Amino acid sequence: NAGVTQTPKFQVLKTGQSMTLQCAQDMNHEYMSWYRQDPGMGLRLIHYSVGAGITDQGEVPNGYNVSRSTTEDFPLRLLSAAPSQTSVYFCASRGLAGWSGELFFGEGSRLTVL
Amino acid sequence: KQEVTQIPAALSVPEGENLVLNCSFTDSAIYNLQWFRQDPGKGLTSLLLIQSSQREQTSGRLNASLDKSSGRSTLYIAASQPGDSATYLCAAGAGGGADGLTFGKGTHLIIQP
Repeated sequence: NAGVTQTPKFQVLKTGQSMTLQCAQDMNHEYMSWYRQDPGMGLRLIHYSVGAGITDQGEVPNGYNVSRSTTEDFPLRLLSAAPSQTSVYFCASRGLAGWSGELFFGEGSRLTVL
Repeated sequence: KQEVTQIPAALSVPEGENLVLNCSFTDSAIYNLQWFRQDPGKGLTSLLLIQSSQREQTSGRLNASLDKSSGRSTLYIAASQPGDSATYLCAAGAGGGADGLTFGKGTHLIIQP
């Protein structure tokens, strides 16, 4: 069972570079989201999507862009990387309609911006 | 705004002990509460999900309870093992706008062999 798959697992960028973190799920989940996890800050929601073609901002969306062209994929784009975006990024998905479903996470993508 | 607090932030106990991890939330209007485990360098693994209409959920040696009126949830781990060493996070699901999930910062648990 693949579940939620994130690539790459590790990435080093220079300030100003752009990149895309990939996220794919094979559970036919409608809901997908991106979080970042920083020491002392906990998990913070960046963007989320309730279905193909529908995305919305979370708590910390600035500097990130998302799209949802298929149910399976939800890529996160860093437009112009900054050192403040050094973090561990997690993609998550949920299956049931509404807010009552169990949330499943990927293994994370560890990003360092120099 | 929902706030979720987990106490203690860190806990170290000898193997075999029963232990309780605490999670408190400020807004009792939640849809559910989920407990996760996170191993170093890994993602979050869902342990238990308690819906707002439920009082508790059990999985193996784990039991999670929910008391909405007092804004508290507890995760009980029976007969702890070194393999239980990890960070445990709770997340309160309030629905509504955005994700509706608010995470605590976790309890770092070490089980001494």
